[in-house]
Amino acid sequence: AQSVTQPDARVTVSEGASLQLRCKYSYFGTPYLFWYVQYPRQGLQLLLKYYPGDPVVQGVNGFEAEFSKSNSSFHLRKASVHWSDWAVYFCAVSEGSNYNVLYFGSGTKLTVEP
Amino acid sequence: EAAVTQSPRNKVAVTGGKVTLSCNQTNNHNNMYWYRQDTGHGLRLIHYSYGAGSTEKGDIPDGYKASRPSQENFSLILELATPSQTSVYFCASGVRDWRSYEQYFGPGTRLTVL
Repeated sequence: AQSVTQPDARVTVSEGASLQLRCKYSYFGTPYLFWYVQYPRQGLQLLLKYYPGDPVVQGVNGFEAEFSKSNSSFHLRKASVHWSDWAVYFCAVSEGSNYNVLYFGSGTKLTVEP
Repeated sequence: EAAVTQSPRNKVAVTGGKVTLSCNQTNNHNNMYWYRQDTGHGLRLIHYSYGAGSTEKGDIPDGYKASRPSQENFSLILELATPSQTSVYFCASGVRDWRSYEQYFGPGTRLTVL
C-alpha cells in the first residue's frame, strides 16, 4: 500500500540558512509525488510536483525537490530560508489512478529563527 | 478568486447532533475529496467523489457520510457527532487526468464537538 513518512515532526533553521525536509515514500511502481505547504490557519498550497522525468523539480519561492528511486525519497530543499517560509510542509504520493487519491505524510513544522 | 470554498469556517456542535459541512468548487474538476487534519496524522481521507452522484469511502469513513449533488458541490455529513470528530476538515478538488494529479484545497472548517 502507498504511504509517506516524514521523519522530522519539527525543524528549526536560522533565516538565510539552507533547508532540507525529508520525505520517504512507499509505492509499487513509478510514483507521482508532491510537496504542499500550509501557512497558519490556511489550506494547503502546492509547492511542487514530480512526474516521471527529471529527478530534480523546481517549485515556487526557490524550493526544489529531488526524487530518488533507489532511496524511495523525495526530499525538499531550499538554499536560503526566509522568515515567510515558517509553515507546515506535507509530502504526498498519488495512487496514480483517475481518482487521484493522495496519501499524505504527517507533516514537518518549520520554524525560522531570526 | 478562491476556487474551493468551504462553509462554515468554524462550527461548534453538540454530541449527538447532526453536522453538515459544505464545499463548493469553481474549477470544474470531476474529483472532490474530504480530509480531516489532526496533529501527528497529517491529512486523512474520509470520502471522495469522481463526479456528480458518486461517493466513495476513503481511509476513515466511519461516522461520516458524503453527498455530491452536482459537479460544484460536495458535502460531508456527521449524522451523530461525537467529540472524537473534533478536527479541522479540508475539502479539495482535482482533475481526472493522468497528466495532472495535484489537488486544490479549500481553507478548512474547524469543527468542535462538545
